[in-house]
Amino acid sequence: DTGVSQNPRHKITKRGQNVTFRCDPISEHNRLYWYRQTLGQGPEFLTYFQNEAQLEKSRLLSDRFSAERPKGSFSTLEIQRTEQGDSAMYLCASSLVSSEKGQYFGPGTRLTVT
Amino acid sequence: GDSVTQMEGPVTLSEEAFLTINCTYTATGYPSLFWYVQYPGEGLQLLLKATKADDKGSNKGFEATYRKETTSFHLEKGSVQVSDSAVYFCALSFTQGGSEKLVFGKGTKLTVNP
Repeated sequence: DTGVSQNPRHKITKRGQNVTFRCDPISEHNRLYWYRQTLGQGPEFLTYFQNEAQLEKSRLLSDRFSAERPKGSFSTLEIQRTEQGDSAMYLCASSLVSSEKGQYFGPGTRLTVT
Repeated sequence: GDSVTQMEGPVTLSEEAFLTINCTYTATGYPSLFWYVQYPGEGLQLLLKATKADDKGSNKGFEATYRKETTSFHLEKGSVQVSDSAVYFCALSFTQGGSEKLVFGKGTKLTVNP
């Protein structure tokens, strides 16, 4: 169990650019979640996958956001035409379905849009 | 919609003081309740959980009891240590079927001074 990893840890981009983040979950976990956390707030759910299927998307996930989980392993979150309001910490978590141990979180990717 | 409200921080205590962080929730149905902790520079970690009314979750000297009648899940510790300094998040989830996504409160920053 090497934990959930996320890359990059920090990303600074200019408004209008596209960015992509990667999440590597714990290997045997079939569920993968993306959350967004802004300063002074708790994490907010964006979307989740069970294996390779994206089963739910929050209304927070505008059409500029897209997430994938090819082959049910790692996942990517892409933001197109970034806006200053996209500046936040993007958290990834993984779990087994209905696990007693809950979700395991990665360290996050901090995005700053200038 | 489902929501979690936790006491505003920051909270500053001296070592060995008693800690209470209040958490109340609003939900349709009977969610599972969680406390997550985020130590400086680290990812969110599950601290404790309770899945039904009157359950008590406990870990590392922290406790919280699921109170359905008051829709509360207050976090307590009898004697805090400097190493407990962190941000604490209360959260809920419906863990029987569905996405099992977490709904978080805003977090409470705890600082323990020696």
